[in-house]
Amino acid sequence: DAMVIQNPRYQVTQFGKPVTLSCSQTLNHNVMYWYQQKSSQAPKLLFHYYDKDFNNEADTPDNFQSRRPNTSFCFLDIRSPGLGDAAMYLCATSRASGTGGNGPTQYFGPGTRLTVL
Amino acid sequence: AQKVTQAQTEISVVEKEDVTLDCVYETRDTTYYLFWYKQPPSGELVFLIRRNSFDEQNEISGRYSWNFQKSTSSFNFTITASQVVDSAVYFCALSEGYNQGGKLIFGQGTELSVKP
Repeated sequence: DAMVIQNPRYQVTQFGKPVTLSCSQTLNHNVMYWYQQKSSQAPKLLFHYYDKDFNNEADTPDNFQSRRPNTSFCFLDIRSPGLGDAAMYLCATSRASGTGGNGPTQYFGPGTRLTVL
Repeated sequence: AQKVTQAQTEISVVEKEDVTLDCVYETRDTTYYLFWYKQPPSGELVFLIRRNSFDEQNEISGRYSWNFQKSTSSFNFTITASQVVDSAVYFCALSEGYNQGGKLIFGQGTELSVKP
């Protein structure tokens, strides 16, 4: 089945220790997104890639970076995690609008729950 | 500015009751998309439905139905004969931006608890 995969499902890191979360997809979608979701809140978009074009949200801290080496993979790097960065990180993919199929529908992976000690 | 409001923070029902989750949106765009997602305790956001702004036809899928009304900017979701497995947080979302990927504007979510 085509899907969005996130590894690891649970990640524990220490305060200030860099961490990388990964996302892969078999849907061949050209857009990939990273959302942060804190407890009892809605997901918040950090950034997205349209093919290789990176689009950062204005309020995303510099501490968060992303890489997309190819169509299938996208990484979220947190350079110096703070206690406030503990959250669920959700990866999603979609086609760009106007390219048929389900258009802008975003399909989410299972998420990575990050704990910062 | 785009905004999605889910006024019901928590709803609790007994199994087999019908329940409606409300969603009201604001947008200046004439073309937009509306979505409902389900988030069970495992955390994954599961896509349920997408509606285009130019298609006001209501939809039914099994026990789920959706009522889209542009006149009131609402996109409500009804679960008929609720079951314990329906317990989850449900998010209504609006998509802005086109052709290069669209940002989802989420409501705050409604936590539905279905008791046996």
